[in-house]
Amino acid sequence: RKEVEQDPGPFNVPEGATVAFNCTYSNSASQSFFWYRQDCRKEPKLLMSVYSSGNEDGRFTAQLNRASQYISLLIRDSKLSDSATYLCVVPRSGNTGKLIFGQGTTLQVKP
Amino acid sequence: EAGVTQFPSHSVIEKGQTVTLRCDPISGHDNLYWYRRVMGKEIKFLLHFVKESKQDESGMPNNRFLAERTGGTYSTLKVQPAELEDSGVYFCASSLNQGAGEKLFFGSGTQLSVL
Repeated sequence: RKEVEQDPGPFNVPEGATVAFNCTYSNSASQSFFWYRQDCRKEPKLLMSVYSSGNEDGRFTAQLNRASQYISLLIRDSKLSDSATYLCVVPRSGNTGKLIFGQGTTLQVKP
Repeated sequence: EAGVTQFPSHSVIEKGQTVTLRCDPISGHDNLYWYRRVMGKEIKFLLHFVKESKQDESGMPNNRFLAERTGGTYSTLKVQPAELEDSGVYFCASSLNQGAGEKLFFGSGTQLSVL
């Protein structure tokens, strides 16, 4: 079983739609989680950090379910510019910056 | 403020040749990381420097890969001799501190194609 698993998609949605991605992780000791966004042929960029039950930033909401070991990312009122690959990232436990990446979920927002 | 810069952006070499990738982290960032994404797979950790010291090199695939960070500033990643399976995108990242919640800043990557 992979340490971080995501549905690769692609998710094709119309503008204005609400879309949600899930990510499961295997290490129950993990304390912090991230969603990164990666545009085609670009570097990953931090979108949101998830430390407790979840957090919200504008149209984006990230939630954490420790009991089931999954993290979700909800995007409301999708924009064309939201089209990208969304990477679920779980840091290795301990005093390290080593990140474990999921394979990514591709979102394509259509006009 | 300049971000993490990587050079070259693309490299096409033949099997058996040597390639050296360079990464300049954000000024003042002691922590420097190398990651790699091969086709169809997730991004994977290669190694972590704290200043000039290798903190964790558990992700280095084999001894054909050599990473250095002399002086604790920029880093190089050399592949010698390159094999077909080394093709992929090599990302460098840096951070001010280390820790599970620390934000990493990524460079735009080097696309390596081994023919």
